[in-house]
Amino acid sequence: DAGVIQSPRHEVTEMGQEVTLRCKPISGHNSLFWYRQTMMRGLELLIYFNNNVPIDDSGMPEDRFSAKMPNASFSTLKIQPSEPRDSAVYFCASRSEQETQYFGPGTRLLVL
Amino acid sequence: KQEVTQIPAALSVPEGENLVLNCSFTDSAIYNLQWFRQDPGKGLTSLLLIQSSQREQTSGRLNASLDKSSGRSTLYIAASQPGDSATYLCAVILFTGKLIFGQGTTLQVKP
Repeated sequence: DAGVIQSPRHEVTEMGQEVTLRCKPISGHNSLFWYRQTMMRGLELLIYFNNNVPIDDSGMPEDRFSAKMPNASFSTLKIQPSEPRDSAVYFCASRSEQETQYFGPGTRLLVL
Repeated sequence: KQEVTQIPAALSVPEGENLVLNCSFTDSAIYNLQWFRQDPGKGLTSLLLIQSSQREQTSGRLNASLDKSSGRSTLYIAASQPGDSATYLCAVILFTGKLIFGQGTTLQVKP
């Protein structure tokens, strides 16, 4: 398996623009997680899905952030409108029951 | 609210030294605990997963221990090598499956 795939790997955008980050989990995994990593706050869980259903979105910072998982092989994290403070590395991870999480390489987002 | 703390934040050692990284958590009601490694500009790689019923796990030169009652875990690295240079993250796993991470310890092993 290719592991967790994220795209794009790097994104530079201007404040106010919409940003969409994409994730393809490992085939057969039924849980998917979105994290954000910054120097100040470290690694934080934003939201996670189990069997395509959002279970805990308490980490989503505000209404500008939304996440979807339309099927078992694809998820998106959208920021609209983006702000400079959203600049961070966004990781997607997936796992199957009772096993460890496997992380993708991350998307490095810079909002100017 | 569960909080995870890692000490020290950074560590520099000469090659060959044995070292210990520390992780503490405020709520002992955890499902498991996991140690990850992160190389610069990369994602996280799982090193060791300790289930709450276990006290330690070993993989090669790495040994992780868990003491739930005191809210502590340690990662022991034997005979450190320059290739061990990375950031090491500790995460507690809640019963919901959610992971809460510490801020990490950045390790530099000098040749």
